Amino acid sequence: GENVEQHPSTLSVQEGDSAVIKCTYSDSASNYFPWYKQELGKRPQLIIDIRSNVGEKKDQRIAVTLNKTAKHFSLHITETQPEDSAVYFCAASEDTNAGKSTFGDGTTLTVKP
Amino acid sequence: EPEVTQTPSHQVTQMGQEVILRCVPISNHLYFYWYRQILGQKVEFLVSFYNNEISEKSEIFDDQFSVERPDGSNFTLKIRSTKLEDSAMYFCAHTQGSNGYTFGSGTRLTVV
Repeated sequence: GENVEQHPSTLSVQEGDSAVIKCTYSDSASNYFPWYKQELGKRPQLIIDIRSNVGEKKDQRIAVTLNKTAKHFSLHITETQPEDSAVYFCAASEDTNAGKSTFGDGTTLTVKP
Repeated sequence: EPEVTQTPSHQVTQMGQEVILRCVPISNHLYFYWYRQILGQKVEFLVSFYNNEISEKSEIFDDQFSVERPDGSNFTLKIRSTKLEDSAMYFCAHTQGSNGYTFGSGTRLTVV
């Protein structure tokens, strides 16, 4: 089955700096890669996603890149703010509608004011 | 975005007891999922449910677990005989179009 590895497990940055979180996956059949943000005690919420036919996607301060050949994808957050502090999970799945997602272990991002 | 509601928000149960966790998804969705998250750990897939049938389940989803959609709207997860290691947050989820999951509000299950 799919195996998703996520690094780093914790990341601390100063407000205004950039943060990068990286994930690798094992199953070449995976074609959908979402990122979720989970604030303490709350549900995971989708913040951005990318499909295997796209190499990069950007939404304001958040971007995701995908290297299908190397089987890795990354989340980039620019101009970080204290409210970006949360746990971020990457995930991989074969089918956005019916397939299960395999999640990474999560990255705890702390943005220091 | 409309809410996906789960009840109860927190359940404490004795080991060996049965629990039923409920989810009220947004209507007109066909695919539903249950995930769990042990405190401080990653989100783990339990089961997917399509057209009122299980379409896929994980190794975690053993004979102690079952899912139903008894009245066409509510979506339930039953654990027949709870164990200490079942203590976790349980999230139901559905997909919306070609986007990722919308997770429910979650149920914190504590087995004592």
